[in-house]
Amino acid sequence: GESVGLHLPTLSVQEGDNSIINCAYSNSASDYFIWYKQESGKGPQFIIDIRSNMDKRQGQRVTVLLNKTVKHLSLQIAATQPGDSAVYFCAEDSSYKLIFGSGTRLLVRP
Amino acid sequence: EPEVTQTPSHQVTQMGQEVILRCVPISNHLYFYWYRQILGQKVEFLVSFYNNEISEKSEIFDDQFSVERPDGSNFTLKIRSTKLEDSAMYFCASGGTGGLVGQPQHFGDGTRLSIL
Repeated sequence: GESVGLHLPTLSVQEGDNSIINCAYSNSASDYFIWYKQESGKGPQFIIDIRSNMDKRQGQRVTVLLNKTVKHLSLQIAATQPGDSAVYFCAEDSSYKLIFGSGTRLLVRP
Repeated sequence: EPEVTQTPSHQVTQMGQEVILRCVPISNHLYFYWYRQILGQKVEFLVSFYNNEISEKSEIFDDQFSVERPDGSNFTLKIRSTKLEDSAMYFCASGGTGGLVGQPQHFGDGTRLSIL
């Protein structure tokens, strides 16, 4: 079996519904943020990014919102599909390195 | 689409042995990174590398660790004398083409390192 690690928060959504995944970041001086998707056995895959001079950015079926006042990021996935099932991490770019959040597992129910 | 490739996908090594993990970053990227992920946990930064030198390293990256870019395409992570707690997934990433700041890092699929 798997070794003990951090218990990931899990979001379970019905296929076709919208998903919202939240993240709090730590450094108020961070000026660049990225959302990654990680499927089992794979590396983090870039989804969307946002700079601190923006509060919203849209991609294909995904939107990232940034609230610098409360140091909060969210990732919205429209019309969630089974292929969206994965662990999602936010990351803040902090001077030559990324600081990752602890992740959220998204489960899509058929 | 260009991608970061890592070899081997799985490495099993006896405690105390040296191990070298290999990465081929995306060809026009200038910044290179190693991260690790212990099973079920979040991804942790180890080291960043630019212009043939380390830019930043974490507390995890002690003197048992080293990185090298031996030629124009490879980027390696060496652990000199492995410990049980080095067992993890190790991810290589690359990013930055020298222009605008705030460019995403792109990750390989990792090497699973198992120390016995």
